[in-house]
Amino acid sequence: DAKTTQPPSMDCAEGRAANLPCNHSTISGNEYVYWYRQIHSQGPQYIIHGLKNNETNEMASLIITEDRKSSTLILPHATLRDTAVYYCIVRVARTYKYIFGTGTRLKVLA
Amino acid sequence: DSGVTQTPKHLITATGQRVTLRCSPRSGDLSVYWYQQSLDQGLQFLIQYYNGEERAKGNILERFSAQQFPDLHSELNLSSLELGDSALYFCASSVDGGTALAKNIQYFGAGTRLSVL
Repeated sequence: DAKTTQPPSMDCAEGRAANLPCNHSTISGNEYVYWYRQIHSQGPQYIIHGLKNNETNEMASLIITEDRKSSTLILPHATLRDTAVYYCIVRVARTYKYIFGTGTRLKVLA
Repeated sequence: DSGVTQTPKHLITATGQRVTLRCSPRSGDLSVYWYQQSLDQGLQFLIQYYNGEERAKGNILERFSAQQFPDLHSELNLSSLELGDSALYFCASSVDGGTALAKNIQYFGAGTRLSVL
């Protein structure tokens, strides 16, 4: 099954860039990587997705390695409101199932 | 606001009982997903429906069932409830989901918090 591995927690100083890594070495060639975040117990919020190329939107940037086995979510100027659990997810190949790992708990420090 | 509506927000019930959780997807979305999140755990995929048909099944217990109606809203039925079923239950919807290789951004509701006493 597709699986993602993320560090359980990270701290980041307010105003600095937060770089959150994710390993998805079993991803198949045509599957996207998606990033979500969950603040407290709210519903997860979509951040960004990518296939092969690096992506940027108003929330974050996504860097995907050339072999697609890992990616990094970058929050360029973290704020206290970015404190959340960040999940990278992929779909299990040849199915419609999505696997959320345990995510990275990011704490932005004042 | 994601546009996905879940009711009720909170549900307190006793062991052995049956409850129904409801989800209204975003306008135009054909796919509905159900997830369970126990205390301090990640999200566990339960089941997906696409345009009324079951599309994928995850770690859903036999005591749990779901369906998607012609108006595309979905219900998750939990029966013979146990203490361990206490959790947050999230519904998500997406436009895609009919094709395995399509990009598929899911939008989540605020969840239903189920407490089994």
